[in-house]
Amino acid sequence: DADVTQTPRNRITKTGKRIMLECSQTKGHDRMYWYRQDPGLGLRLIYYSFDVKDINKGEISDGYSVSRQAQAKFSLSLESAIPNQTALYFCATSETGSTEAFFGQGTRLTVV
Amino acid sequence: EDKVVQSPLSLVVHEGDTVTLNCSYEVTNFRSLLWYKQEKKAPTFLFMLTSSGIEKKSGRLSSILDKKELFSILNITATQTGDSAVYLCAASASGTYKYIFGTGTRLKVLA
Repeated sequence: DADVTQTPRNRITKTGKRIMLECSQTKGHDRMYWYRQDPGLGLRLIYYSFDVKDINKGEISDGYSVSRQAQAKFSLSLESAIPNQTALYFCATSETGSTEAFFGQGTRLTVV
Repeated sequence: EDKVVQSPLSLVVHEGDTVTLNCSYEVTNFRSLLWYKQEKKAPTFLFMLTSSGIEKKSGRLSSILDKKELFSILNITATQTGDSAVYLCAASASGTYKYIFGTGTRLKVLA
């Protein structure tokens, strides 16, 4: 079983729809991250959370929101999806005091 | 603005060749540099470097960090087709534990 699990793995949605991407982890890490990956732009940080009551904006948070429901769960929402949010989305975790990140398998989101 | 730049953007070599991938960074309160290999979806961890001049090795892969010149290199010797992937470099900063990623180097190894 994967230590960091993302659902769904693939999703196609229409412009204007609300969509939620889920991430759960069994590593017991406090820190969780959401990234998006676009060709030629690398991985860009959307939001990150250092514990259950901590939420921080990353480099490209506009159009996204997050919820840290529990230590093990960190969900990313697109309130009104737009085509330029089509990307590969990754959730990652890290342990407090370590800079090594562990990634989920990614969610490929297509907004049409 | 913090940034990480990788070069080359892409590279095509033949099996058995040795390749060197470059990563330069400008990160305030730099803490560590990480290398990942991304084949299909999720990046897999290769190395974490925090000290200058100490080479990390794993089989045919090795990496070293130069904190004075602000760069790292990833070497792959005797390349194999299974080494074909995108190699990502990321830098982290103290106090935030955010990761700043480069755009990656796409390596293709031909049989």
